[in-house]
Amino acid sequence: AAGVIQSPRHLIKEKRETATLKCYPIPRHDTVYWYQQGPGQDPQFLISFYEKMQSDKGSIPDRFSAQQFSDYHSELNMSSLELGDSALYFCASSANRPYEQYFGPGTRLTVT
Amino acid sequence: AQTVTQSQPEMSVQEAETVTLSCTYDTSENNYYLFWYKQPPSRQMILVIRQEAYKQQNATENRFSVNFQKAAKSFSLKISDSQLGDTAMYFCAFIENTDKLIFGTGTRLQVFP
Repeated sequence: AAGVIQSPRHLIKEKRETATLKCYPIPRHDTVYWYQQGPGQDPQFLISFYEKMQSDKGSIPDRFSAQQFSDYHSELNMSSLELGDSALYFCASSANRPYEQYFGPGTRLTVT
Repeated sequence: AQTVTQSQPEMSVQEAETVTLSCTYDTSENNYYLFWYKQPPSRQMILVIRQEAYKQQNATENRFSVNFQKAAKSFSLKISDSQLGDTAMYFCAFIENTDKLIFGTGTRLQVFP
């Protein structure tokens, strides 16, 4: 079965640089979620989109922005990167059962 | 505020044995959903099992079952016939009427041969 696709899988950036993470949901899933998981921590909700509109917002820094496109893929844009942004970033998607979120493999971002 | 508590940072079990992971949560809502996610060393987050709060019957998925005690706000995961591939971090998670999954701090399960 098709799963959530995230790219890139690994990303290394320097402080103050910009990063863009991409997420391709499971086909026919209309909702996308972004989570951040720091080392040794549980995932923290950042933001979600339903039918290309922002649906919910969590602890997402103002330096981060995201959007969902007409083909339902989503991008998380991160600017002025800080060392503390180093983490595993998950995208998840859901469909008719909105409370069942399926996660992608994650993008590991390292800021040096 | 909603919280999820996993009081067992680490657990271990012998292969083929049964193990139970504990989870408690706090909410003032009546309708919500509970989940167990598995995160193996690959770091992939895998949905193991789902429970709707309005359902009294405990969810079961093959070797995985839950003991849902709504009044006690308890949601434990039982893994029967443990396999080496069950070695992973297990997160209990909770969601109400938002998109936000709230996770516990996780229980690291080690299955020994």
